[in-house]
Amino acid sequence: EEQLVESGGGLGQPGGSLRVSCAASELSFSSYAMAWVRQAPGKGLEWVSTISGSGGRTYYADSVLGRFTISRDNSKNTLYLRINTLRAEDTAVYYCAKVVVNYFDLWGRGTLVTVSS
Amino acid sequence: QTVVTQEPSFSVSPGGTVTLTCGLSSDSVSTIHYPSWYQQIPGQAPRTLIYSTNIRSSGVPDRFSGSILGNKAALTVTGAQAEDESNYYCVLYMGSGISVFGGGTKLTVL
Repeated sequence: EEQLVESGGGLGQPGGSLRVSCAASELSFSSYAMAWVRQAPGKGLEWVSTISGSGGRTYYADSVLGRFTISRDNSKNTLYLRINTLRAEDTAVYYCAKVVVNYFDLWGRGTLVTVSS
Repeated sequence: QTVVTQEPSFSVSPGGTVTLTCGLSSDSVSTIHYPSWYQQIPGQAPRTLIYSTNIRSSGVPDRFSGSILGNKAALTVTGAQAEDESNYYCVLYMGSGISVFGGGTKLTVL
């Protein structure tokens, strides 16, 4: 069964950096674009970023452009999201998702990032 | 800035039918936006219900259906059940790799 498992969340300092990961299993990982979607506490879902299957194309929401970097290692079946210059408003559950034909086909359970001093 | 609009909340009686909508602040929604719908129970990961306007994801009951109604995408629940009480989100694909979520609709079944 296809599965996505996020990790790497935790407490980050304002202005600091954090990297979250998403491990894929039972999935032809390199064949699919992958995305990050976040959800601040008590708020709705927000698309953050998408990366093509090869990793050659990346896309970002305006709200994170310049601070977030999406990447992938197809040899490890793993997706990453680097968050720089952490802000309080980055506090959220970060979900990774498999992208198929412009929709989110499979979701992980998420990892919580908390930004606080 | 693209804004995707959804009703903040909706109520339906058990066994009843409800239609949730998904609009664009400055344009009409059509199939080129590949409307998709997701169900999320608080505290859980989202679940994919509908993609490409009207295709049900694997395992989704056929009481859920998607369509374009007028200038909006729509999710209809026919014969609502107690377990359908949840938050529902639509997503529109805006091209160039950009997807935008609506604010979500909280559906109450009572």
